[in-house]
This record gives sequence, C-alpha cells and structure tokens, in this order.
Amino acid sequence: NAGVTQTPKFQVLKTGQSMTLQCAQDMNHNSMYWYRQDPGMGLRLIYYSASEGTTDKGEVPNGYNVSRLNKREFSLRLESAAPSQTSVYFCASSERLAGTSTDTQYFGPGTRLTVL
Amino acid sequence: AQKVTQAQTEISVVEKEDVTLDCVYETRDTTYYLFWYKQPPSGELVFLIRRNSFDEQNEISGRYSWNFQKSTSSFNFTITASQVVDSAVYFCALSEAGANFGNEKLTFGTGTRLTIIP
Repeated sequence: NAGVTQTPKFQVLKTGQSMTLQCAQDMNHNSMYWYRQDPGMGLRLIYYSASEGTTDKGEVPNGYNVSRLNKREFSLRLESAAPSQTSVYFCASSERLAGTSTDTQYFGPGTRLTVL
Repeated sequence: AQKVTQAQTEISVVEKEDVTLDCVYETRDTTYYLFWYKQPPSGELVFLIRRNSFDEQNEISGRYSWNFQKSTSSFNFTITASQVVDSAVYFCALSEAGANFGNEKLTFGTGTRLTIIP
C-alpha cells in the first residue's frame, strides 16, 4: 500500500515549456487535491476533484489545468510554465469516514519544480 | 473566510525540553475541524491529528499532546521531552464541515520550523 505517489520528484523547466505532474493513490479515495507550497505561505489549494469526473478550482488555479483520469489518478498540467510557478507541489487524497462531516487529507511526497 | 495563524516562525530547543507550538484560527462556522501535520526534512507531509469543534477534550499520544480551547480559538501542540527526530516544520490547518463530499477547503497556517538541538 503505497498511499499517494507523485512523479517526478524534481523537475527543471524553462519559461514557456509545458509539463504534467502525475499523482496516483491506492487507498480507493474519492477526493483528490493539488496544492503548492511556497516559502512563508503554507500550502495553497490549486484544484481539487471531489469524485471521478469532477474538478473544481481552488485558491490559486491560474496557469494550471487538471485531469481526473480515473479514481486513482489526478494530474496537474502547466501549459506554459512561468518563474512564478517555481514551487513544491503536493497531491493529496481523502475519504469521508462514516459519521463525520469532513475528510482527512493524506499527502504525497511532493514534486519540487523550478522554472528558469 | 477562515484563517490560521502560526505566529512562531521558528523555534529552537535543546533536546529533552518541552516545547509548545501555537495555533490560532478564525472561522464563522460552528462546525469545523482542526488538523496538525508534520513536514520532516525529507519533505513529505505527515498527518498527526484531527479534532472537531465539538470535542474540546485534550488529546495525548505518547510525547505529543494537543490543547483545544474554543474560548481563545486556539489548538496548541506540545511535544514533551523533545527528540532530534521531532525537528520538522509543523502545520496547523482548518477545515469547515462540508455538505458535499470532498469540497472542503483545508486552510493551512504558514508553519513553525522546530529545531531540536542535540
């Protein structure tokens, strides 16, 4: 049981290049999320997917697109990378426990992205 | 809008000392959840605890304890007899109860970097 996995772990891009960050979870969770972590700012939500087939914008969606490929996989795409997108990106997944009204999110190991 | 404040940016203590990490939150909801996550130097985020707004009982797990006080909107985290392995960045987070599955916004504080000096 690997939990949440992310690829790649590190990536360097030039301004204007595109790339896709991959995320997969094997916990059979319905919900998945993408965050970015910047120094002094904590984690901020980019996009989330409450269930397979649905996606919604979070706090900082500009410059990103997502795809919920199936229940296991949720990818984040940068169409034209900018230096402001240099960050550490975390994927998370969550499930609602019976009798509760919120989820607990479990995070992947992160992808460190540098845009030159 | 919800907000989480971790005023302590960095803390250093000598091994075996006790240390408390502060977390103050703001929310208009009566039902909400509070979380603590640990981010060790390796970079991953590790879930530590979750509490709901109706349960103000303090919780203890080994050397870790959490003090939730609604009157002061605080959810503080204490490590007793600290160890070098406790060195990490610790994040407090807040989630409002969601009517729809998976659409809750998890708001993070900016984190406290804890360094345990051997």
